[in-house]
Amino acid sequence: DTEVTQTPKHLVMGMTNKKSLKCEQHMGHRAMYWYKQKAKKPPELMFVYSYEKLSINESVPSRFSPECPNSSLLNLHLHALQPEDSALYLCASAALLQETQYFGPGTRLLVL
Amino acid sequence: GIQVEQSPPDLILQEGANSTLRCNFSDSVNNLQWFHQNPWGQLINLFYIPSGTKQNGRLSATTVATERYSLLYISSSQTTDSGVYFCAVATNAGKSTFGDGTTLTVKP
Repeated sequence: DTEVTQTPKHLVMGMTNKKSLKCEQHMGHRAMYWYKQKAKKPPELMFVYSYEKLSINESVPSRFSPECPNSSLLNLHLHALQPEDSALYLCASAALLQETQYFGPGTRLLVL
Repeated sequence: GIQVEQSPPDLILQEGANSTLRCNFSDSVNNLQWFHQNPWGQLINLFYIPSGTKQNGRLSATTVATERYSLLYISSSQTTDSGVYFCAVATNAGKSTFGDGTTLTVKP
């Protein structure tokens, strides 16, 4: 099973809201990733976790806060977002860093 | 950081035609993957191919790491092959960079 699940599928939030995106995998993978994808653009790496520790933060604004509570779960906490943060947020996992990444279906976020 | 260039940016084919998509990268990489993104946004893993040649049905890929390029071949294209094809490379630190993609349209 090479499935990565993401919830919710769609999210609409105001600029003062706090929400969280969730990503889960049960493949025993030890690397997990968050990407942001704007329309007609490629995915851009935001964060990388390896063995539940943050290993890469691509200078992402602090209104995005990642969390990896265990090896199967990755969260992205959102607070005080801006309309330009509206995008498709993709999660991926890999057995280890540098190995094949498997992507979830994404969360489409709209910030009003 | 590493630069990834894909060509062509857009490609329109008749069903049954063959095509070649190219990915050039500016530095040594530890990982190269080809993905197909469907209209709903799902990224489907096609190949993990840091070097060498692989085939999967009508698709095949070749990466020449010493010359810093990879090719994706699609034979006998079908309308369901339409979508955006991305090449993504990763360094040994695990940082992934995607190319801008090739948008493929296959007409019946």
